[in-house]
Amino acid sequence: DTGVSQNPRHKITKRGQNVTFRCDPISEHNRLYWYRQTLGQGPEFLTYFQNEAQLEKSRLLSDRFSAERPKGSFSTLEIQRTEQGDSAMYLCASSLAWGALDKNIQYFGAGTRLSVL
Amino acid sequence: QKEVEQDPGPLSVPEGAIVSLNCTYSNSAFQYFMWYRQYSRKGPELLMYTYSSGNKEDGRFTAQVDKSSKYISLFIRDSQPSDSATYLCAMSANTNAGKSTFGDGTTLTVKP
Repeated sequence: DTGVSQNPRHKITKRGQNVTFRCDPISEHNRLYWYRQTLGQGPEFLTYFQNEAQLEKSRLLSDRFSAERPKGSFSTLEIQRTEQGDSAMYLCASSLAWGALDKNIQYFGAGTRLSVL
Repeated sequence: QKEVEQDPGPLSVPEGAIVSLNCTYSNSAFQYFMWYRQYSRKGPELLMYTYSSGNKEDGRFTAQVDKSSKYISLFIRDSQPSDSATYLCAMSANTNAGKSTFGDGTTLTVKP
């Protein structure tokens, strides 16, 4: 088990372009989370999945953002028509939620750093 | 006002010092309390977690939770230069709440 994997590690794009990030969680984890982190701030929650179901979305997640986890394994986060304000580190985390064992302890990937020019 | 407030620092200490990092929170529903360490341009790494009030010790690290005061702390004993990083506190409510709410981090530098 290699932990949470995110690709790409760094993405540079021009304003108005679409970008997609991928996250592969720890293999036995059924919950997957997306966060956004800007310089000097803590991670801010965007959305999370339990298996393939998207259970919660933050109001931070505008209509230009969409996340999927089609088979309950890896997830993608797409940003359409990127804006300079989207520049941030996008972090993925996973956890195991299974009855009494659910401690909601999230393990993070290394993140994808997005730069919108 | 943010749900979780963290002493911003930065904090600079000599090697071997005891470090105290603190967070306060306003949401009484928080039951799980975590500390993460984050190196520059890396993802957060889980250091410790505690459930409800009390203390938890792991090597040089001790986490304390005082739910009555809505205050949590992380103590690092015998600090090392390799401890230099940003420390994030995080909290979550019941197990169905999903998300964690983070503080903005305290940057620690341990000087040899």
